[in-house]
Amino acid sequence: QKEVEQNSGPLSVPEGAIASLNCTYSDRVSQSFFWYRQYSGKSPELIMSIYSNGDKEDGRFTAQLNKASQYVSLLIRDSQPSDSATYLCAVNPNAGNMLTFGGGTRLMVKP
Amino acid sequence: EAQVTQNPRYLITVTGKKLTVTCSQNMNHEYMSWYRQDPGLGLRQIYYSMNVEVTDKGDVPEGYKVSRKEKRNFPLILESPSPNQTSLYFCASSLSFSDEQYFGPGTRLTVT
Repeated sequence: QKEVEQNSGPLSVPEGAIASLNCTYSDRVSQSFFWYRQYSGKSPELIMSIYSNGDKEDGRFTAQLNKASQYVSLLIRDSQPSDSATYLCAVNPNAGNMLTFGGGTRLMVKP
Repeated sequence: EAQVTQNPRYLITVTGKKLTVTCSQNMNHEYMSWYRQDPGLGLRQIYYSMNVEVTDKGDVPEGYKVSRKEKRNFPLILESPSPNQTSLYFCASSLSFSDEQYFGPGTRLTVT
């Protein structure tokens, strides 16, 4: 089982809809969680970080963390075609040194 | 401007010819890391460094070397490149290992 799992997609949503991206992780002691956006051929760009259970909102983005169920999600409200990219979930185990990335979910927002 | 820089951005080379990809950050970050990204395989960590003179292997270290003589620089060395090292390489840095990482623009390497 991979340490950080994401559905590879593509996830296709119409412009203006809510896009919901999910990520599950295997290490129960993980403490730090990050969402990155990556356009094709470009470097990953940090969108959100979340460290405690619950929701964290930043503009059109909301990260949700549920440590008991070991999942973290990213909601994108009012999706725009410019949101079309691959979204990477990253988890940092408390006891380890390595930030572990999921394989990414490709999001397509159709006008 | 706070940033991570990598050079070169693009490189085409031949098998066996030693090369170095440089990485530099101006944020006084302690933690630096190298990743490679291949289609269908996602980001895989090659090496990381917790601080000056402290480096360790990631998931795919074979065929690579690194050094951390100064806090700001973390070069990636391929002593004898092979075609299976053709990939997109990213350097990243963070304040500590548990903080968010900031990525350089990437180096696209082709080994023929």
